[in-house]
Amino acid sequence: DAKTTQPPSMDCAEGRAANLPCNHSTISGNEYVYWYRQIHSQGPQYIIHGLKNNETNEMASLIITEDRKSSTLILPHATLRDTAVYYCIVRIPQGGSEKLVFGKGTKLTVNP
Amino acid sequence: NAGVMQNPRHLVRRRGQEARLRCSPMKGHSHVYWYRQLPEEGLKFMVYLQKENIIDESGMPKERFSAEFPKEGPSILRIQQVVRGDSAAYFCASSPLAGGSYEQYFGPGTRLTVT
Repeated sequence: DAKTTQPPSMDCAEGRAANLPCNHSTISGNEYVYWYRQIHSQGPQYIIHGLKNNETNEMASLIITEDRKSSTLILPHATLRDTAVYYCIVRIPQGGSEKLVFGKGTKLTVNP
Repeated sequence: NAGVMQNPRHLVRRRGQEARLRCSPMKGHSHVYWYRQLPEEGLKFMVYLQKENIIDESGMPKERFSAEFPKEGPSILRIQQVVRGDSAAYFCASSPLAGGSYEQYFGPGTRLTVT
């Protein structure tokens, strides 16, 4: 199973871009990179996912390096409501098992 | 389109009682997942179900815990003879299909407190 490594915490000023890194050096060719976040004990919220190409949606952008060993989640204009724990997850294909394996994530604090 | 619904949102049980947690997936979703989050810890996978089938229960404790997803009605996570260590937040997620890139949508969780 591919493992991910994220910094335990980060700070960002309100209105600035938040760039959250994730290392997944043992990712295999058919595994996707997913990002979820959990705001203060609420249910996790899906943000974005990608396989090879960079992706963008209304919430964030996902930049995946060419060798796919790392990625960066970008929140272009962070707000106070973006304060949360952000999880980088590599999807584990296990022949019918679709579980998500959550690590410790990055606690992002957006400061006014 | 309503999201994933879980009830109750808060549940208090005394040691030795049974806890039943319910999860109604999003409309059109036939895959349900249960996760547990102990205080100050990350989410841990428990079980993955499709209608009337358990696909992966590798994260379920061997005793006292069971899960079902009947043809009609919500998915149920059942904990018999609860102990204090079962106190946690239990999250349910659903997805329309398994495999590929289909994301999981999470409910608000049930906070179980065992006294």
